[in-house]
Amino acid sequence: RKEVEQDPGPFNVPEGATVAFNCTYSNSASQSFFWYRQDCRKEPKLLMSVYSSGNEDGRFTAQLNRASQYISLLIRDSKLSDSATYLCVVTLNQAGTALIFGKGTTLSVSS
Amino acid sequence: EAGVTQFPSHSVIEKGQTVTLRCDPISGHDNLYWYRRVMGKEIKFLLHFVKESKQDESGMPNNRFLAERTGGTYSTLKVQPAELEDSGVYFCASSHSGRTGELFFGEGSRLTVL
Repeated sequence: RKEVEQDPGPFNVPEGATVAFNCTYSNSASQSFFWYRQDCRKEPKLLMSVYSSGNEDGRFTAQLNRASQYISLLIRDSKLSDSATYLCVVTLNQAGTALIFGKGTTLSVSS
Repeated sequence: EAGVTQFPSHSVIEKGQTVTLRCDPISGHDNLYWYRRVMGKEIKFLLHFVKESKQDESGMPNNRFLAERTGGTYSTLKVQPAELEDSGVYFCASSHSGRTGELFFGEGSRLTVL
């Protein structure tokens, strides 16, 4: 079983749509959770951390369910510029080092 | 502020040859990491430096890989001798101590072993 599993997609949506990505992790000892974004042939960049209480950053909302070992990312009012691969990431230590990546979910937003 | 820079951006070598990848982290970042993405797989952790010390090298695949960070500044990752399965993109990242999970990645060094 993969440590971090994501639906690879691709998710093809029109501009303005709402899209949700899911992620599950296998190690219940996982401490910290993040969503990274990676544009084609570029480096991953931190999109947002994920907190137990859920958190929002503009059009992006992240949720964490520790009991189900499940993380989600919701993107509202999709923009063309949101097209990218979204990587679910967990760590096993408080320091947040040694990130464990999922394979990513690809999003394509079209006009 | 300059980001994480990696060199070379792309390297093509023959099986059995040696390649050295270089990473310059963001100035002032004590933490430096190497990750690798093999075709079709997820990005995998290789190792973590704090300044010049190896904090965690549990992800290094075997002893053909040698990472150094002399003086706690830039780092090199040497693969010797390279094998076909070493092909992939090698990412370097750095972070400031205390900023959990916020790693700044370089654009990666793409290694192709023929």
